[in-house]
Amino acid sequence: EPEVTQTPSHQVTQMGQEVILRCVPISNHLYFYWYRQILGQKVEFLVSFYNNEISEKSEIFDDQFSVERPDGSNFTLKIRSTKLEDSAMYFCASSGGDPLTGELFFGEGSRLTVL
Amino acid sequence: GENVEQHPSTLSVQEGDSAVIKCTYSDSASNYFPWYKQELGKRPQLIIDIRSNVGEKKDQRIAVTLNKTAKHFSLHITETQPEDSAVYFCAAPNDYKLSFGAGTTVTVRA
Repeated sequence: EPEVTQTPSHQVTQMGQEVILRCVPISNHLYFYWYRQILGQKVEFLVSFYNNEISEKSEIFDDQFSVERPDGSNFTLKIRSTKLEDSAMYFCASSGGDPLTGELFFGEGSRLTVL
Repeated sequence: GENVEQHPSTLSVQEGDSAVIKCTYSDSASNYFPWYKQELGKRPQLIIDIRSNVGEKKDQRIAVTLNKTAKHFSLHITETQPEDSAVYFCAAPNDYKLSFGAGTTVTVRA
């Protein structure tokens, strides 16, 4: 069964450093997302991406965050200058249909620890 | 934006008993309501979903009911088993995303 893959599974970084989290969505999917989950808390929406542009972003997704689809398969999340509060599990997700009707498939997540 | 409220935050049930989790949503245009199960350290995985053209859907021991008028939907797990212990999230769509409830930690006592 096709699945969303994410790398790295865990990254430890120093505050102020840049990190890039990588995702390979399911190949025929058109809608891509990043969510984050602080330990023990809810799954929070960060950004949605369709047709090579951001469809929607949350208040969390400030100027320190950016997303890119550099080629036909990868979807990346960059945090320019990490803060302690960026420590969380980051989930990439993709959907074959629009979010109003289609199942969201999550990757295994990338755990980010900012020291 | 969509506001999804989920109750209770924790639920402890005896093995074999039923568990019910309720969610309310605010956007009357929402028409797709999934439930995700997240085991410790794992990704959220879809367990059941319902669309607004039906009021109830069942899949073995799991069922979801929807009341569009009242804007709430519920997850029902019957004959609970230890492997049902997990965090359950409801969700509802809004614009270009799914918004998730705060989650319910279900513990099934043997």
